[in-house]
Amino acid sequence: NAGVTQTPKFQVLKTGQSMTLQCAQDMNHNSMYWYRQDPGMGLRLIYYSASEGTTDKGEVPNGYNVSRLNKREFSLRLESAAPSQTSVYFCASSELAGVDNEQFFGPGTRLTVL
Amino acid sequence: EDQVTQSPEALRLQEGESSSLNCSYTVSGLRGLFWYRQDPGKGPEFLFTLYSAGEEKEKERLKATLTKKESFLHITAPKPEDSATYLCTAGGTSYGKLTFGQGTILTVHP
Repeated sequence: NAGVTQTPKFQVLKTGQSMTLQCAQDMNHNSMYWYRQDPGMGLRLIYYSASEGTTDKGEVPNGYNVSRLNKREFSLRLESAAPSQTSVYFCASSELAGVDNEQFFGPGTRLTVL
Repeated sequence: EDQVTQSPEALRLQEGESSSLNCSYTVSGLRGLFWYRQDPGKGPEFLFTLYSAGEEKEKERLKATLTKKESFLHITAPKPEDSATYLCTAGGTSYGKLTFGQGTILTVHP
């Protein structure tokens, strides 16, 4: 099992460009999440999908959109990138939604917006 | 608002020198507290889940404990390969999402 995979691993964008971060899991998990990690701050939830066909905003959703393509895949889109979106982005999954379920993380995408 | 605070921010140990990392939490209706290990350039790796005060979990040189206000990650006789950032996160019924601490950077010198 690969667990949670993310593409790309690294990306450099110019302000105003758009891109989509891809995430897939092979653990048959129902719930998936997108986080960002910035120096000196804890992981912050951007969006999540409790189950296939549903998505909800997290703590810092502005400037992002998501798509739960199917049970395995959950993508994060930046429509018009800004320097404030320079960060490391992690996708995670859990068997069920709810804060009593451990989440499993992917390797991350390191994004720089110039 | 749920809060999770980890201390110290950084900890340097000699190989074999046991110590503890602290995670203080203010979470209404705690449903779960989780410890993760994160190596540089990698994603967080799940270590432990704790659900109620008094619970303990062990894995090799690591032992996690939980009280009503804090969780401790005890490291016994650490080795250089235990060097990493350790993350604590907790979730409760009022907020419904996990709140992450900023992490403790552990460095174990040979």
